[in-house]
Amino acid sequence: QKEVEQNSGPLSVPEGAIASLNCTYSDRGSQSFFWYRQYSGKSPELIMFIYSNGDKEDGRFTAQLNKASQYVSLLIRDSQPSDSATYLCAVGEGGSEKLVFGKGTKLTVNP
Amino acid sequence: KAGVTQTPRYLIKTRGQQVTLSCSPISGHRSVSWYQQTPGQGLQFLFEYFSETQRNKGNFPGRFSGRQFSNSRSEMNVSTLELGDSALYLCASSRSSSTAEQYFGPGTRLTVT
Repeated sequence: QKEVEQNSGPLSVPEGAIASLNCTYSDRGSQSFFWYRQYSGKSPELIMFIYSNGDKEDGRFTAQLNKASQYVSLLIRDSQPSDSATYLCAVGEGGSEKLVFGKGTKLTVNP
Repeated sequence: KAGVTQTPRYLIKTRGQQVTLSCSPISGHRSVSWYQQTPGQGLQFLFEYFSETQRNKGNFPGRFSGRQFSNSRSEMNVSTLELGDSALYLCASSRSSSTAEQYFGPGTRLTVT
């Protein structure tokens, strides 16, 4: 069973700061990487996806992928209290077409 | 564009009963995946359907089954319910596969008593 590991947190940052969320994965054949945000009592919402090494920016969010280190991260700039949620990292297993999720990092942004 | 819809949203069943959950994907999406989410295990993959065929299956017992119709709508069935089946069941749709961008429905909260 391929694994996706995330720090469970909670991660607490002040409003306006940069929140950094990290994820490592075990399957070297993985080709697709996703970040989902899940508010309490709600379903996951796709916020970023990345397929190539390097950085991908979308508004206040930046996803970073390093396949050699099997590491993917999400940076949230100018964090807002509305960013408080659990962030799930998901990795597409190479060959099996399955998406494997980490258990999530709970982020709290303090006003 | 309408999102993924799931029915029912909440369900209470008794041990030993069976249950059927329904999912309508985003228009144009042909891949539908099902997940079980619990506080202890997180999000776990159940199975994926594409063009009415099951392409992938997770590590769940045979009591969990599913199907997909020609209009891409999908159903999952759990037979002989156990207390441990209490969970949030999520459906996600994608244009092509479960490893491409997936969009989740609101989920069905199943409680087994």
